[in-house]
Amino acid sequence: TQTVSQSDAHVTVFEGDSVELRCNYSYGGSIYLSWYIQHHGHGLQFLLKYYSGNPVVQGVNGFEAEFSKSDSSFHLRKASVHWSDSAVYFCAVSAGNSNNRIFFGDGTQLVVKP
Amino acid sequence: EAAVTQSPRNKVAVTGGKVTLSCNQTNNHNNMYWYRQDTGHGLRLIHYSYGAGSTEKGDIPDGYKASRPSQENFSLILELATPSQTSVYFCASGEGGGGWEQYFGPGTRLTVL
Repeated sequence: TQTVSQSDAHVTVFEGDSVELRCNYSYGGSIYLSWYIQHHGHGLQFLLKYYSGNPVVQGVNGFEAEFSKSDSSFHLRKASVHWSDSAVYFCAVSAGNSNNRIFFGDGTQLVVKP
Repeated sequence: EAAVTQSPRNKVAVTGGKVTLSCNQTNNHNNMYWYRQDTGHGLRLIHYSYGAGSTEKGDIPDGYKASRPSQENFSLILELATPSQTSVYFCASGEGGGGWEQYFGPGTRLTVL
């Protein structure tokens, strides 16, 4: 079974700061990794994904994530955050034999202060 | 246009009553999912479906049934609602071998009194 861990439940930064949201996974085989964003009162929205190739993947709104097999990680980063980036961010993993299931982390609440 | 819609958006039910939550998707995805989201538990999978006529149990299926009468529609049924089922419920649709990209509805807030 795949598992995903987001070590930080809450992260607070100021507008214009850079931010890194951490995600670690455990699974021995080929794995699909993704990030989702959830604004308050809304459903989750897909942000970006990785399966193979360049370990740094770009998403919308300046977000990027970097895959590291050695660290079993897929951290999300943004160079300069905006107040509208305040949301809950979920890391997710899936494997080819997971019967089309995604396993979500518990989420990281990002608060961007003006 | 929203590709995954849910109804109702808010529902208050009484203990022991029957509740049906509906989901419709226009993505033409084969896979659909029902999750509940509670503080401290993140997203938990209740039921999912590979296509019309199929339903599969997720991680917390007890107390819930699911129905997939068509490609577009996927319902979650609480035959005998209990206060512990008070939660926010999300429907999602997805495609792909690992189901790794899912599209979520806006959620239904259910309160069972």
